[in-house]
Amino acid sequence: DTAVSQTPKYLVTQMGNDKSIKCEQNLGHDTMYWYKQDSKKFLKIMFSYNNKELIINETVPNRFSPKSPDKAHLNLHINSLELGDSAVYFCASSQNDRAPGTQYFGPGTRLLVL
Amino acid sequence: RKEVEQDPGPFNVPEGATVAFNCTYSNSASQSFFWYRQDCRKEPKLLMSVYSSGNEDGRFTAQLNRASQYISLLIRDSKLSDSATYLCVAKTGTASKLTFGTGTRLQVTL
Repeated sequence: DTAVSQTPKYLVTQMGNDKSIKCEQNLGHDTMYWYKQDSKKFLKIMFSYNNKELIINETVPNRFSPKSPDKAHLNLHINSLELGDSAVYFCASSQNDRAPGTQYFGPGTRLLVL
Repeated sequence: RKEVEQDPGPFNVPEGATVAFNCTYSNSASQSFFWYRQDCRKEPKLLMSVYSSGNEDGRFTAQLNRASQYISLLIRDSKLSDSATYLCVAKTGTASKLTFGTGTRLQVTL
C-alpha cells in the first residue's frame, strides 16, 4: 500500500527514443508534481497539476509532456530522449496547492540515456 | 545566485555530537520554509516545517531569521541513522512551487 508509486524504477534507453513514466498516489491528494534530480543532486520542479489541471510548468523542453487522466495519476512522456535527460525523476503529491510544503515523494525513476 | 543555498558538506561528526546546518534564501518574498531529508538513493521526506518562532521536534530544532534570510537546523545527540542529506526548501509566491537547496550531507560515525 505504497502512498506514491512510480513505474518503472529503472529505465535505460537509447538517444532518440520516446519513453513514459507513470505515477499514482493513493492518498486522495489533489496536487501532484514531477521533479528532476540531476547528477549534482539538484532537485528541480518540472510540472505540477491540481485536480488534473496544469498549474506549474517550469522551463522544460516541450519534449516533456505530462498527462493527468485523473487526480490520482500523473504520467510523464518524454520524446526524442537526449543524453542530458539522464537523471532521477521523482513524482510527488500534496493535499492541495495551498499547502505544498508537505509533499510525499515516490521512490524515483532512474533514467539513463545512452 | 541560487534561490536557496546550502553548504554541501559533508559534515562528519561522531555519534552524540551536536551539529548545525545553515541555509540562505535570496527571495525576501519567500513565505514558508521546510527541511527535508534524503537518504542515499531514496526519495526526499519531510523532516519538519520551519516557523518564525522556531520549532523543535525531539532532537531537531529549526530556526528562521527573516532579517538575515537564513534558516537553520540543529541536530542534538546525533545518531548513526541521522546520516543523510538535508534539503532546505522555500515556498515563494502563490503557486505551489517549492524551491529546494542542493542539500547538506551529514555523516555520523562511531
